[in-house]
Amino acid sequence: GEDVEQSLFLSVREGDSSVINCTYTDSSSTYLYWYKQEPGAGLQLLTYIFSNMDMKQDQRLTVLLNKKDKHLSLRIADTQTGDSAIYFCAEISDSGYALNFGKGTSLLVTP
Amino acid sequence: DTGVSQDPRHKITKRGQNVTFRCDPISEHNRLYWYRQTLGQGPEFLTYFQNEAQLEKSRLLSDRFSAERPKGSFSTLEIQRTEQGDSAMYLCASTSRGEAGGAYFGPGTRLLVL
Repeated sequence: GEDVEQSLFLSVREGDSSVINCTYTDSSSTYLYWYKQEPGAGLQLLTYIFSNMDMKQDQRLTVLLNKKDKHLSLRIADTQTGDSAIYFCAEISDSGYALNFGKGTSLLVTP
Repeated sequence: DTGVSQDPRHKITKRGQNVTFRCDPISEHNRLYWYRQTLGQGPEFLTYFQNEAQLEKSRLLSDRFSAERPKGSFSTLEIQRTEQGDSAMYLCASTSRGEAGGAYFGPGTRLLVL
């Protein structure tokens, strides 16, 4: 896979749900990942989903996977101002040794 | 366990100079990755070590770049004859798990080439 696509910006009000979308390229990727990057910080693994799953829920996070359309989404329930960050979608590279990241979606949560 | 650490956190250099960055992975993590991230982009894979063996190198890693992990613990990334296009955040990650996505990332070294 060469290009993982994400929308670049999302703004939501505190308490609303956020949905960040991603289109990936490599249908053989066994796992798909969501990372969070706060300003000046490294990447933090938020959650991941195995490719044979359609959905995974982890507290406020819900990951949905549509393998047919190669579409991945991350839903954050009850979004808080502390959720403001850049969110990256990633797939395993063809070599299996690394990750291919999208350009990231910048989430802004307003009070 | 203090996480992945990188040194320095920031580096400013002049074009043509050599720079070296260090990464200390989480202890006992045998897999180590280097990524590069430019403004507005996601991280791009540079290279991967399993213990001291460098198993994969991206085509992004030109011959001016060299990485080592001599004893299978810390790693260094050297850039020779730096160019302005090398300005980026250089991220290190480590894991003991089998798949690339389970890695823990360090805070990065931000390089600015003038």
